[in-house]
Amino acid sequence: AQKITQTQPGMFVQEKEAVTLDCTYDTSDPSYGLFWYKQPSSGEMIFLIYQGSYDQQNATEGRYSLNFQKARKSANLVISASQLGDSAMYFCAMREPYNTDKLIFGTGTRLQVFP
Amino acid sequence: DSGVTQTPKHLITATGQRVTLRCSPRSGDLSVYWYQQSLDQGLQFLIQYYNGEERAKGNILERFSAQQFPDLHSELNLSSLELGDSALYFCASSGDVGGTEGTGELFFGEGSRLTVL
Repeated sequence: AQKITQTQPGMFVQEKEAVTLDCTYDTSDPSYGLFWYKQPSSGEMIFLIYQGSYDQQNATEGRYSLNFQKARKSANLVISASQLGDSAMYFCAMREPYNTDKLIFGTGTRLQVFP
Repeated sequence: DSGVTQTPKHLITATGQRVTLRCSPRSGDLSVYWYQQSLDQGLQFLIQYYNGEERAKGNILERFSAQQFPDLHSELNLSSLELGDSALYFCASSGDVGGTEGTGELFFGEGSRLTVL
């Protein structure tokens, strides 16, 4: 069965510093997609970044980059130059590729950025 | 704005009652997904509909049911409510099944926060 694991319940980072949020996954499918979503205290789910299993390069979106290590089955999110507004819950998710497209989510990491 | 609309945003009700949560997907999206997020928990997949047909089922209780209508909006019905059903219920939508469009990203509504007293 497919599974997403986020082992860091909470992380702290100082403003302007970089932070890495860990995510490991387990699947036997050769084709899959990995996502990161941000959930601020207001509750909405905001899509941040996507990595396909066949993508040769790590995905980047502005200050967000995904450190994809396929052999280790890890897809860590790196946030550079942290801002106070980055304080939120961050969820890693994996898409089941065939037939459904539903996302399976990890338990999340609460990131707090301090001045 | 994701383009996915959920109503109501907040709902307070009593145990044993029944409620209906409504979702309008993004224009053109055929798939609708329902997720439940309990306090400080991740998102648990409940059910998916594609173009009116049930496509996948997750950890959805028998007291819960859903449907997708011809205009593609969806409703999640929760009955015989218990205290433990208090949660944030998300609806999400996406394009074609199989990830043929873009990344297969799900677009989430703002959620319906249900409180059962």
